[in-house]
Parts: sequence; structure tokens; C-alpha cells
Amino acid sequence: AQSVTQLDSQVPVFEEAPVELRCNYSSSVSVYLFWYVQYPNQGLQLLLKYLSGSTLVESINGFEAEFNKSQTSFHLRKPSVHISDTAEYFCAVRGYNQGGKLIFGQGTELSVKP
Amino acid sequence: DVKVTQSSRYLVKRTGEKVFLECVQDMDHENMFWYRQDPGLGLRLIYFSYDVKMKEKGDIPEGYSVSREKKERFSLILESASTNQTSMYLCAGGTGIDNEQFFGPGTRLTVL
Repeated sequence: AQSVTQLDSQVPVFEEAPVELRCNYSSSVSVYLFWYVQYPNQGLQLLLKYLSGSTLVESINGFEAEFNKSQTSFHLRKPSVHISDTAEYFCAVRGYNQGGKLIFGQGTELSVKP
Repeated sequence: DVKVTQSSRYLVKRTGEKVFLECVQDMDHENMFWYRQDPGLGLRLIYFSYDVKMKEKGDIPEGYSVSREKKERFSLILESASTNQTSMYLCAGGTGIDNEQFFGPGTRLTVL
């Protein structure tokens, strides 16, 4: 079985500041890792994913996440945030050979202030 | 563009009513999922389906059932709604190949 812990429920930052949203997971098998974003009053959208290969993965809007197997982490970072990044972010994990089932963390609300 | 639609954005029902939440996907995906989203708890899986007429329990199936008569449609049923089922319900479709799930906009259900 897998579990996901997002260490911060709320992260307030000022515009153009860097941000890190933390995600740790536990699993007895190898995993695939995901970050989803939910803008106000919308469904979830995939932001980025790690399946294999390079441990650093990037999104089209400047976010990146690094898979750290030894620390069982998949933290999300952005060097300079915009007001439009205000949203809730969810980390998710799926075990190998576990079908399509995702296990989600509790979510982190990112609030970007001018 | 892939699309997952849910029958209602907002729904208000009374305790004891039977409630149907409908989800339709146009992606020809085998897998479909129902989650509920509550503040501080993230998304929790209620039921999922890997094929027509197939269903499997997720982490919190109590009080819910599902139906998948056609590949593109996955319905969540609350047999007798209770106030603790007030929540946001999210449907998703996906494949096992690329691992991505595509989500609908959600249905905010209030049970009075």
C-alpha cells in the first residue's frame, strides 16, 4: 500500500518569490509520482509526472519536481511565482502493477500575494 | 481535447433521498474513477472501474454504489443520502498506459 503526506496545508508567498511545496510518500513497491493543480472552481489538471528516467521533471509553466528515492520525496518548486499560480496543489502516487489507482495527499493551498 | 463531464455542478438533496451522479468521458479510456474531496483530506477514492460492468471498491465505498453499463459512462449512486456525504465529488478517466487521469469539473453535493 502507498501513502502520501503533503507537509504544508497552506503556503502564502509574495509574487516573484520562490516556492517549494513538499511531498513525501511511503510505498513497499516502486512508484510513479504526480503533481496535480486545482484552480478555483475547477477540476484537477495534471501539472507534471515522474514515470522513469531523469529524476527532474518540468511543467510547461515553470514548475519542476525532483524524485528523490532515498528520501522518498517529490517536492514541487518554482523559482518565481505569479498571481495566477494561486491554486491548490495535490501530490499523488501510484504503485507499479497497481492498475490506474492513484493515492493523493491532503493538498497544499498556494496563495500568491501582490 | 479530452473531456470528462459531470451532470451537475451543484446539487442539493434531502437526507434519505437516492442520488445519482453521472460522469461521461469522450476519451475511450478503460479506467474510470469516483473520488470525494474534503478540506484537509485531499481526494479519497470511492469506487473505480477498469471495464464495462466491472467495479472495484476504493478506500471509502460505504454508502455508495456505482454502475458502468457503457464504456463512456460511470455513475455514482448514493442509495440513501446522509449529511456526512455532503462533499465535492470528482470523476476521472484514464488509461493504465500513460498513467494520467483526466478529471471532470466536480459536483458539489449538499445533503440537508
